[in-house]
Amino acid sequence: NAGVTQTPKFRILKIGQSMTLQCAQDMNHNYMYWYRQDPGMGLKLIYYSVGAGITDKGEVPNGYNVSRSTTEDFPLRLELAAPSQTSVYFCASNLGESGNTIYFGEGSWLTVV
Amino acid sequence: GEDVEQSLFLSVREGDSSVINCTYTDSSSTYLYWYKQEPGAGLQLLTYIFSNMDMKQDQRLTVLLNKKDKHLSLRIADTQTGDSAIYFCAESIWRGSTLGRLYFGRGTQLTVWP
Repeated sequence: NAGVTQTPKFRILKIGQSMTLQCAQDMNHNYMYWYRQDPGMGLKLIYYSVGAGITDKGEVPNGYNVSRSTTEDFPLRLELAAPSQTSVYFCASNLGESGNTIYFGEGSWLTVV
Repeated sequence: GEDVEQSLFLSVREGDSSVINCTYTDSSSTYLYWYKQEPGAGLQLLTYIFSNMDMKQDQRLTVLLNKKDKHLSLRIADTQTGDSAIYFCAESIWRGSTLGRLYFGRGTQLTVWP
C-alpha cells in the first residue's frame, strides 16, 4: 500500500540548475498538491491539480511548473534554481470531496547552493 | 489569505496532559485537522473534526472546537516522550476556487521531559 510516493528524498542543486521532483499516488485520487515547508514555518501551497490535464497556482508558484498528464503522477519542475527554493517539498493527494483525508508523501529535502 | 495561528513552543513533563491551541480566521472552514511531524519525516494525520462538532475524542487525543471564537485545541492525555514532535493545525476550506486547500499554522514544537 504505497500511498503517496515522492522522489528524490534528498537533493543538492547548484544555482541555475533545473530539476523535477516526482510524485505518484496509487489511490486514484483526483486532487494532488505540492507544498513547501520552510524552517519554522507551516506549509505553503505551490501548485495543485483537480484532475488530469488541470493545474492551478497556489500561494507561492513563482519559479515552479507542474503538469498532470495522468491521474497518478504530478511532477514539480524547478527551473533556474535559486537559494530561496531551499526547502522541504511535500506532495499530497485527496479524493476530492469535502472531508476526505489529505495524504502526504514523506517529503523531498532540496538544498540550492 | 486565511490565517492559522499557533503558539510555537510547549514543554510538558512526561505523564502530564498537553494542550496545544490554534486559532483560525475563515468561518467557512469545513474540517480542521491536527498533523504530527517528527524530525526528518512527513506529516502524519492525527485527527480531524468537522466544523459542526464541538468535541472529538480518540484514545489519548481530545479535540475541542469553539466555532464562535474560531479556536481549536488538541489535548494529549498522559503525554509520553514519543509525543515530542511538531504539531500543525490546519483548516480545510471547500468553497469557490479554494478546492479543498489546507491552510497550515506554523506548528507547535512539543517537548516532553522525562
